[in-house]
Amino acid sequence: GENVEQHPSTLSVQEGDSAVIKCTYSDSASNYFPWYKQELGKRPQLIIDIRSNVGEKKDQRIAVTLNKTAKHFSLHITETQPEDSAVYFCAATPGQAGTALIFGKGTTLSVSS
Amino acid sequence: DGGITQSPKYLFRKEGQNVTLSCEQNLNHDAMYWYRQDPGQGLRLIYYSQIVNDFQKGDIAEGYSVSREKKESFPLTVTSAQKNPTAFYLCASSPTRGNSPLHFGNGTRLTVT
Repeated sequence: GENVEQHPSTLSVQEGDSAVIKCTYSDSASNYFPWYKQELGKRPQLIIDIRSNVGEKKDQRIAVTLNKTAKHFSLHITETQPEDSAVYFCAATPGQAGTALIFGKGTTLSVSS
Repeated sequence: DGGITQSPKYLFRKEGQNVTLSCEQNLNHDAMYWYRQDPGQGLRLIYYSQIVNDFQKGDIAEGYSVSREKKESFPLTVTSAQKNPTAFYLCASSPTRGNSPLHFGNGTRLTVT
């Protein structure tokens, strides 16, 4: 089955710096890759997603890149702010029809001012 | 206000007792999911359902059971066979199966002593 590895597990940056979180997946047929942000005590919320026919997608300070050949995708946050502090999860949908998202173990991002 | 409702927010049970977690959605989504969240483990898939009266096991289904008698409802029963039931349980739904964003409920924190 699909396996999603996420690195690093923790990331500390200064306000204004960039943050990059990387994920790899095992199923070469996977075709949907969302990123979720979970603030302390709250539900995970979708922040950006990308499909396998696109190499990069951007939404203001957040971007996601996908390398299908290498089977990895990354989240890029520029000009980080303290409110970006949260746990971020990557996920991938296995290629088999009718399956469910498989998540990475999460990255705890801390942005200090 | 459309969304996913999980109840209760906190649940306490004695070891050896079965307990059922409620999940209701009014988003008219076809697919529903149950994930378990433990510190440092990410979100692990327990069960999912793509359509009424049908459901599939996820990666950690042992000790759990579900039903999908109505489109709006997907209750999860944690049985006494689950060895480590204390965890945070998240229910989610999506419009279609697999390749669409998940909408999460606020979760239920289950403590078994």
